[in-house]
Amino acid sequence: NAGVTQTPKFQVLKTGQSMTLQCAQDMNHEYMSWYRQDPGMGLRLIHYSVGAGITDQGEVPNGYNVSRSTTEDFPLRLLSAAPSQTSVYFCASRVSGTEGQPQHFGDGTRLSIL
Amino acid sequence: DAKTTQPTSMDCAEGRAANLPCNHSTISGNEYVYWYRQIHSQGPQYIIHGLKNNETNEMASLIITEDRKSSTLILPHATLRDTAVYYCIVRRRANDYKLSFGAGTTVTVRA
Repeated sequence: NAGVTQTPKFQVLKTGQSMTLQCAQDMNHEYMSWYRQDPGMGLRLIHYSVGAGITDQGEVPNGYNVSRSTTEDFPLRLLSAAPSQTSVYFCASRVSGTEGQPQHFGDGTRLSIL
Repeated sequence: DAKTTQPTSMDCAEGRAANLPCNHSTISGNEYVYWYRQIHSQGPQYIIHGLKNNETNEMASLIITEDRKSSTLILPHATLRDTAVYYCIVRRRANDYKLSFGAGTTVTVRA
């Protein structure tokens, strides 16, 4: 059982480059979210989705795009990377309908923007 | 969502109980208390959650005061593997897929 899988685990980009962080889950969870964690800080919500075709913004959405074409995948796109986006990115998922269920997190993508 | 306050850090001896406090004095009646932890370089891990009754599972116990303005997470027999950052989060149940993490408490379990 893979759970939540994030790829790549590490990435270095130059300012202005674009890339997509991949997130996939095999638990048939409706809800998926993206967070970023800066050094010494807690996680902050970037975008989230409550099901295929439905996405919404979190606390810090600027500079990021998301889409949800399938239940399993929730990619995060950086259109023009900036040094301020250097961070560790976590994807999470949980079941819908049954409130109070825990979120399951991936192991993160460590992204450096030069 | 109500704001939470946690100590920045605490130490605990291996094999002893670790009691982690959290203050949430502005919590409203429909808000739950959640605890997650993050072991170095890993994604956060759910521990436990509760509304007003004390809760226990295989990982920990959650004690919520009668006025619900504070709570304590108890790790009954701390091991070195429990060294982590522990986050106390208050959230309405309907929104609990959108979690807001603060700085948390860094717990160091010492042999």
